[in-house]
Amino acid sequence: GQSLEQPSEVTAVEGAIVQINCTYQTSGFYGLSWYQQHDGGAPTFLSYNALDGLEETGRFSSFLSRSDSYGYLLLQELQMKDSASYFCAVGGGGGNKLTFGTGTQLKVEL
Amino acid sequence: SQTIHQWPATLVQPVGSPLSLECTVEGTSNPNLYWYRQAAGRGLQLLFYSVGIGQISSEVPQNLSASRPQDRQFILSSKKLLLSDSGFYLCAWGGLTHNGELFFGEGSRLTVL
Repeated sequence: GQSLEQPSEVTAVEGAIVQINCTYQTSGFYGLSWYQQHDGGAPTFLSYNALDGLEETGRFSSFLSRSDSYGYLLLQELQMKDSASYFCAVGGGGGNKLTFGTGTQLKVEL
Repeated sequence: SQTIHQWPATLVQPVGSPLSLECTVEGTSNPNLYWYRQAAGRGLQLLFYSVGIGQISSEVPQNLSASRPQDRQFILSSKKLLLSDSGFYLCAWGGLTHNGELFFGEGSRLTVL
């Protein structure tokens, strides 16, 4: 089976940097993905790490350590619109299916 | 460009009534298709996935079923809804390569009373 752990809630101020951690246990691993979901909306894809290291996309970066079964999402220059839930997800097994974590609710304050 | 649509967006159903949620994808062929459910304030639980017409894999035993009558159509059904079936249902499609990216529909919010 597969399981993922991430903090339930994180609060930060506008302009700051925040890191959302994710640890996983999985049988069969292809990579770690991150998704953003605003209240009432659908999840949208942010990033994907198949190999160890840091991937940067604008203000967002994602890191993976396969040996530690650990990754994180780094959000820089936080904006109010970044207030949302963030999910890590691992891919593996048939059908390219993704198993999602329980999500981290990020609250950005003034 | 590829698009995904699902409907209805919102529905309120009595316990014991049937359910049918539909999802269609445009602009791609032979996609992998998925149904996820999200309880309030929770993560996404994979219910079913399909790699081709008529091919359905169920992830969890439950009161629901899925069908894929056409390449780009995915349907979620139930003969008799339970209270515990309430939730936010999301259809998604993905490609054949392992790139961690799924594209989600707008979601269907189901309330069973």
